Amino acid sequence: DAGVIQSPRHEVTEMGQEVTLRCKPISGHDSLFWYRQTMMRGLELLIYFNNNVPIDDSGMPEDRFSAKMPNASFSTLKIQPSEPRDSAVYFCASSSPGQPSSGNTIYFGEGSWLTVV
Amino acid sequence: AQSVTQLDSQVPVFEEAPVELRCNYSSSVSVYLFWYVQYPNQGLQLLLKYLSGSTLVESINGFEAEFNKSQTSFHLRKPSVHISDTAEYFCAVSYGTSYGKLTFGQGTILTVHP
Repeated sequence: DAGVIQSPRHEVTEMGQEVTLRCKPISGHDSLFWYRQTMMRGLELLIYFNNNVPIDDSGMPEDRFSAKMPNASFSTLKIQPSEPRDSAVYFCASSSPGQPSSGNTIYFGEGSWLTVV
Repeated sequence: AQSVTQLDSQVPVFEEAPVELRCNYSSSVSVYLFWYVQYPNQGLQLLLKYLSGSTLVESINGFEAEFNKSQTSFHLRKPSVHISDTAEYFCAVSYGTSYGKLTFGQGTILTVHP
């Protein structure tokens, strides 16, 4: 199994530019999560989808952030315009089907390391 | 609000010594507990999890954790650590009605010295 695949692995961009992070979940998984990791705030859940539908986006910092999941095998997290404080590692994760509270394992990608200068 | 507290941000130990990484969570009727490990510049990998049944769970590389409902704790232990165990460890909780959403602790950096 290829695991959760994220791209790009590293990105350096200038403030004000648009950033798009991409994720391919594990085939057959029906839940997808976007997390952000920073030194100050640790791991924060930004948004998660179930069957391509956003379930909870309360963690999305502000309107500059948006996420989509057009199909079961692809999701994007977009930041427009980007700011230096958005510098972080962004993780995508997915989990297998089951009842919502089944405790299925969440599998993480390798992360996208974003630096906004 | 749901919360997870890892009581130690850094734990230095010598090789072959025992270690305990502490984790407490806010109480809930239904809860699932996880420990993830993150090696430098890598993603998170599941180390072990508690869903139900025996309160003591083990991983394949010698770690174990015990679910203690009365103390709302899920401490991670290893009787003898190796240099290769140096990493950051995250405790995480999934609450019964949260679609498997995980709430993470702040992480504990375990450094094993020779």
